[in-house]
Amino acid sequence: SQTIHQWPATLVQPVGSPLSLECTVEGTSNPNLYWYRQAAGRGLQLLFYSIGIDQISSEVPQNLSASRPQDRQFILSSKKLLLSDSGFYLCAWTGQVFNGELFFGEGSRLTVL
Amino acid sequence: KQEVTQIPAALSVPEGENLVLNCSFTDSAIYNLQWFRQDPGKGLTSLLLIQSSQREQTSGRLNASLDKSSGRSTLYIAASQPGDSATYLCAVRPYAGNNRKLIWGLGTSLAVNP
Repeated sequence: SQTIHQWPATLVQPVGSPLSLECTVEGTSNPNLYWYRQAAGRGLQLLFYSIGIDQISSEVPQNLSASRPQDRQFILSSKKLLLSDSGFYLCAWTGQVFNGELFFGEGSRLTVL
Repeated sequence: KQEVTQIPAALSVPEGENLVLNCSFTDSAIYNLQWFRQDPGKGLTSLLLIQSSQREQTSGRLNASLDKSSGRSTLYIAASQPGDSATYLCAVRPYAGNNRKLIWGLGTSLAVNP
């Protein structure tokens, strides 16, 4: 069966520090991968999606970047965090068929102080 | 522009009630609609995916229906239990525009009281 993991689960970082959130999918190949951010009262916001290695699309211009160094690994990064980057970050995947069921990881809570 | 609305924003019911959660969307041109459950501080759990050609899907005590012509989906929960307490979100995958970008409702927060 397929599983998705993200880490760390919780992160407290000072303003201006770097960020790296990792996500790995197991039990499938060539998944479509997604990074979402969830802010209270504002719903889920798609940040990045990837249809393959080194094929990443950005939905919202911001202080974040994403990379996909391996087929089933998706990384969300920042060189210098802002207070506004605080939030709940969720990694998700669908199968090779883009309109398949979307599955989420456990989420990473980021607090920037 | 596709918009998804979930009403009510919050719902409190006694244990054992059958209940219906609503999801409305403005553009009927969709690939599918998916219902999720989210517990506080946790990720989203997929409940049901309904393709545009389907009218309903069932999983255990859950039944989701889709009426594209009226732009509505309902999630029916039978014999509710305290463990059903969570936020329920719906999302549609549109034909138009970026179809990799789901359009999300803000969710219905459900409390089932023992």
